[in-house]
Amino acid sequence: AQSVAQPEDQVNVAEGNPLTVKCTYSVSGNPYLFWYVQYPNRGLQFLLKYITGDNLVKGSYGFEAEFNKSQTSFHLKKPSALVSDSALYFCAVRDRESGNTPLVFGKGTRLSVIA
Amino acid sequence: GAVVSQHPSRVICKSGTSVKIECRSLDFQATTMFWYRQFPKQSLMLMATSNEGSKATYEQGVEKDKFLINHASLTLSTLTVTSAHPEDSSFYICSARVQRGRTDTQYFGPGTRLTVL
Repeated sequence: AQSVAQPEDQVNVAEGNPLTVKCTYSVSGNPYLFWYVQYPNRGLQFLLKYITGDNLVKGSYGFEAEFNKSQTSFHLKKPSALVSDSALYFCAVRDRESGNTPLVFGKGTRLSVIA
Repeated sequence: GAVVSQHPSRVICKSGTSVKIECRSLDFQATTMFWYRQFPKQSLMLMATSNEGSKATYEQGVEKDKFLINHASLTLSTLTVTSAHPEDSSFYICSARVQRGRTDTQYFGPGTRLTVL
């Protein structure tokens, strides 16, 4: 079975400071990992994904995430937060060898960037 | 990136009526589409997996006779909420799966907010 844990319901950070949104996962095989962002009353926007290769993945809007197999983590990071980054962030996982199964999502972390 | 549209974006209906939500992949063909439901301040809950030309596969606890899914073509899937009740009020999001070579990504529609009075 696949699962995702986002241990923080809320992350607060001052504008200009680095931000981290945590995610750990569990799959039986090798993972595909994703980060999505959701703004109020909007659908999900794709930020970045890890499929294979380089453990550091760079995505949209200056975000990046590092795949750590030993810690089964895929934390989302940004060097300098913007107020406009305030949104709900979802980590998702899919077992690479699981055929036609959909993504499984974490419960989400609300990021609040304070000016 | 791939674009997925949903229509309508917002719908208000009376209890007992049926509501149809359309999900379209605009610039690609999607053999598989997924329907999710999101409650306020909660994560996305997978409702069903829809494959073009075949019956949808529903997750445990989701009533297939209440949430009718039709994946008539490679670019269109519909979700019909039959005999809607206030507890069906939610944010419904569809997703289309794209497989190109070694990459495999789900793209999401903007969502449909259903309010049942």
